[in-house]
Amino acid sequence: IQLTQSPSSLSAFVGDRVTITCRASQAISSYLAWYQQKPGKAPKLLIYAASTLQSGVPSRFSGSGSGTDFTLTISSLQPEDFGTYHCQQVNSYPITFGQGTRLEIK
Amino acid sequence: QITLKESGPTLVKPTQTLTLTCTFSGFSLSTSGVSVGWIRQPPRKALEWLALIYWNDDKHYSPSLKSRLTITKDTSKNQVVLTMTNMDPVDTATYYCAHRHCTGGSCYDDYWGQGTLVTVSS
Repeated sequence: IQLTQSPSSLSAFVGDRVTITCRASQAISSYLAWYQQKPGKAPKLLIYAASTLQSGVPSRFSGSGSGTDFTLTISSLQPEDFGTYHCQQVNSYPITFGQGTRLEIK
Repeated sequence: QITLKESGPTLVKPTQTLTLTCTFSGFSLSTSGVSVGWIRQPPRKALEWLALIYWNDDKHYSPSLKSRLTITKDTSKNQVVLTMTNMDPVDTATYYCAHRHCTGGSCYDDYWGQGTLVTVSS
């Protein structure tokens, strides 16, 4: 299953609402996760099961979608939210990731 | 507290076999439902899932790499080992292992090791 993220990169101001999308090449129910990765660090789980916030993750992060179309939203962008965001499907093997979305703070 | 750490060579020559060890704590791979996976990331590229192993020794591999990969576990040592044969420069990447959290019928990588950079060069 191929995952396509858009945009590939974006730049936004602190306080902006940011949305990243992930489209699956076939239906994956709600078996999707979102990860945040800072340079030189391992990915960090933000959202799983498409919309469940991982423990300890700020509530400004939210996820939605099912089937083939999913979104990650940051309601009010903070300086520490820079990095690359990855979606991952776990509906079926092989597990696959999107190509990543690089988020910069203006 | 769950922690994982990858170890292995930082430099391998083309055609050699890579052996990576993931040593973990805070959970047991003999507990029902637990699994550990391997993911890699070439420099400035996307994450690529490689393989995973379950508590019951069930294993899954990336189809594109299946012929070159072997994943095993040593429950007594709290380790998962990944071997990759016939290494090539395109296999240069940071290799991560991750604990998988299972809920609602599926599992997600909730704890990751720091990663280990493996360079393939003669």
